[in-house]
Amino acid sequence: GENVEQHPSTLSVQEGDSAVIKCTYSDSASNYFPWYKQELGKGPQLIIDIRSNVGEKKDQRIAVTLNKTAKHFSLHITETQPEDSAVYFCAATRSGSARQLTFGSGTQLTVLP
Amino acid sequence: NAGVTQTPKFQVLKTGQSMTLQCAQDMNHNSMYWYRQDPGMGLRLIYYSASEGTTDKGEVPNGYNVSRLNKREFSLRLESAAPSQTSVYFCASSAADAGGYEQFFGPGTRLTVL
Repeated sequence: GENVEQHPSTLSVQEGDSAVIKCTYSDSASNYFPWYKQELGKGPQLIIDIRSNVGEKKDQRIAVTLNKTAKHFSLHITETQPEDSAVYFCAATRSGSARQLTFGSGTQLTVLP
Repeated sequence: NAGVTQTPKFQVLKTGQSMTLQCAQDMNHNSMYWYRQDPGMGLRLIYYSASEGTTDKGEVPNGYNVSRLNKREFSLRLESAAPSQTSVYFCASSAADAGGYEQFFGPGTRLTVL
């Protein structure tokens, strides 16, 4: 089955700096890679996703890049703000029944004022 | 729309007790999922239901059973709770069969087994 590794497990940045979180996956058939943000006491919420036919996707201060050859993808957050502090999860899935997601272990991002 | 709702929000059980976690969605999604979240391990899939009337095992199904009661509701049952099942449980739904990729999560149930 799929295995997703995520680094780093914790990340502290100064407000206004950029943050980068990296994930690798093992299944070359995976074709959809979402990123979820989880605030304290809440369920995860999708913030951005990318499909395997695209190398990069941006949404305001958030971007995701995908390298299919190396089987890794990254989340980039620019101009970080205190409200970006949360746990971020990457995930991967392939086409098939119910599109089961395999999640990384999560990154606790802290934005210091 | 309420999205995905879960009950209860918190629960404490003694070893050997049973309980059912309830989940409902109002987005007309065909696919529903149960995950558990443990520190440092991300979310792991317990069971999923691709459509009404079907259920399948995920990564960590041992000790759990599920029922897809109808299109809206998907319940998770612990027949004989063990301390290893102390975790936060999340239900999710998606329109996976219709090309929808996003999974929408509920607020979670925090379960402690003593």
